Amino acid sequence: LAKTTQPISMDSYEGQEVNITCSHNNIATNDYITWYQQFPSQGPRFIIQGYKTKVTNEVASLFIPADRKSSTLSLPRVSLSDTAVYYCLVGESPSGNTPLVFGKGTRLSVIA
Amino acid sequence: DVKVTQSSRYLVKRTGEKVFLECVQDMDHENMFWYRQDPGLGLRLIYFSYDVKMKEKGDIPEGYSVSREKKERFSLILESASTNQTSMYLCASRTGTGVPYNEQFFGPGTRLTVL
Repeated sequence: LAKTTQPISMDSYEGQEVNITCSHNNIATNDYITWYQQFPSQGPRFIIQGYKTKVTNEVASLFIPADRKSSTLSLPRVSLSDTAVYYCLVGESPSGNTPLVFGKGTRLSVIA
Repeated sequence: DVKVTQSSRYLVKRTGEKVFLECVQDMDHENMFWYRQDPGLGLRLIYFSYDVKMKEKGDIPEGYSVSREKKERFSLILESASTNQTSMYLCASRTGTGVPYNEQFFGPGTRLTVL
């Protein structure tokens, strides 16, 4: 499984755009890049997944360069409620039996 | 709406007790997982199951066992609870096929304290 590296923590003010970069140098051809968000005292929840280029949904955008050795999660105009831990994961597809490996994630603190 | 439920939010047990943590999903998912989460250590995989009666060890299986007799239910068993098993336990499930392939659905967690 490809290992990921992301910053341990980040701080941001409300209303700013936050970019969290994840490094995954050993990503394999069949791997997808997935980000999860975890609020205190809750389980993580899926927020976005991509394979290459750019993916956008109602929560975030995911930018993946051509070499796919890194990815950037972008949260537009964060609010206090975006304070959470964000996990970057890389997982195989199409095999369904390989578990995802969660690292320590990036703890984002949004300040008023 | 998809749902993963866990039998208890909070549990207090004594050292040496046998502890059962139950997890049920209503999405007909093939894969189910048990993680524990401790401050500064992230989520660590204990066991997972990709089918009924199948189980695989994760990164930290010592002191734990699991049971999956039905597709929707995955149980984590602490044969003889110890204080170092005090932790938050999270169950998750996932389909074995399809996109978004890597989407795992988590339960609310069980905070277990072993005295």
